[in-house]
Amino acid sequence: QVQLQESGPGLVKPSETLSLTCSISGGSIYNSYWHWIRQTAEKGLEWIGRIHTSGSTNCNPSLESRVYLSVDTSKNQFSLRLSSVTAADTAVYYCARDSGITIFGVVTQYYFDFWGQGTLVTVSS
Amino acid sequence: DIQMTQSPSSLSASVGDRVTITCRASQYISTYLNWYQQKPGKAPKLLIYAASTLQSGVPSRFSGSGSGTDFTLTIISLQPEDFATYYCQQSHSIPRTFGPGTKVDIK
Repeated sequence: QVQLQESGPGLVKPSETLSLTCSISGGSIYNSYWHWIRQTAEKGLEWIGRIHTSGSTNCNPSLESRVYLSVDTSKNQFSLRLSSVTAADTAVYYCARDSGITIFGVVTQYYFDFWGQGTLVTVSS
Repeated sequence: DIQMTQSPSSLSASVGDRVTITCRASQYISTYLNWYQQKPGKAPKLLIYAASTLQSGVPSRFSGSGSGTDFTLTIISLQPEDFATYYCQQSHSIPRTFGPGTKVDIK
């Protein structure tokens, strides 16, 4: 059973950089997309971005200029950095694994099958 | 971005009721539609993927249907553990987007 665990500071000052790591256990980090998603009462669930173990990344255009994603296969971890944070970045942050259906060798119909428990990050001075 | 809407935003139901939640995408997404259940303080849990495929371990009282832009999640015979918030999510394109959620509470 794959398990994901977010870790990082729960409090970040405005204008600073939010840094979170997701540790994966019970499964391989290889050959999957790994995602960051956040949740607030105001905006609901918001997709932040994804990274593949090949290093390929995609980010939400609304956050792209501030997001940096990385992966460390030796530690079975991937990370999120979000720069220049404001109070609007206060949220519960989740990491999640992307799985899909393979049809004729192509993976399609992606879905988030495993999630971390989430970590609350508050932006405040 | 593909916008996802859900209706109703909330509903009250009793144990044993049949519940239907609808989700609409702002553009064609074929069957690239997933449903999640979330309970307070917990991460979302995958219920259905590819519009109608039940995730392993999810009770058969949950079902999904639809394609194109209109989708439905149905719970037949609502159980006490089903009181939660339900979200749809499209995986047709980046950025992935979620619906605003439907809260199912006890009547």
